[in-house]
Amino acid sequence: DVKVTQSSRYLVKRTGEKVFLECVQDMDHENMFWYRQDPGLGLRLIYFSYDVKMKEKGDIPEGYSVSREKKERFSLILESASTNQTSMYLCASSLRGRTVSTGELFFGEGSRLTVL
Amino acid sequence: AQSVTQLGSHVSVSEGALVLLRCNYSSSVPPYLFWYVQYPNQGLQLLLKYTSAATLVKGINGFEAEFKKSETSFHLTKPSAHMSDAAEYFCAVSQIGTDKLIFGTGTRLQVFP
Repeated sequence: DVKVTQSSRYLVKRTGEKVFLECVQDMDHENMFWYRQDPGLGLRLIYFSYDVKMKEKGDIPEGYSVSREKKERFSLILESASTNQTSMYLCASSLRGRTVSTGELFFGEGSRLTVL
Repeated sequence: AQSVTQLGSHVSVSEGALVLLRCNYSSSVPPYLFWYVQYPNQGLQLLLKYTSAATLVKGINGFEAEFKKSETSFHLTKPSAHMSDAAEYFCAVSQIGTDKLIFGTGTRLQVFP
């Protein structure tokens, strides 16, 4: 069974803290994504990685960075968390060159982050 | 540039009633369109896809969608709602030339007994 695992389902952090959200996939996918999900705004792409050490900014990269040192792992980093980063964060993965024609994005269950 | 618009952030139906969730797209080229479903406390999963073959596409759990080029629409339907259909539904379009999807803002479906 294909699987995308996000390390934490629920996190509570304080303003200014550094936050790491981890995502691991076991499908040998080249592509990995971090989305943010907010009510009324849908899913917005934060960062995309198409290979190890390769990354591309999405629509809302400000305040975030990412790391992809291994193919199976994609980390989202909030250098200094702020209250407006309180949200649901979704990780996804896909095979390179197939997403556009198949729509096959595989999602994790999400990490709900609250910043106080 | 491609985009999708979902009309209605919330839809409520009675169990057994028709489900209709609306999605309109904008694309300068023939689009690839998708519907995803998100059950409570879960990630998204692919429900069905239109990739320029048949215009009526069938998905899982009895859902289907029809691609109508003249109306630039890709509405999702199910003849008879079930309580287990309560979820959030997202329409998406492929961003041509990339491996990315562009998602709509979502429609939350409530099913009443």
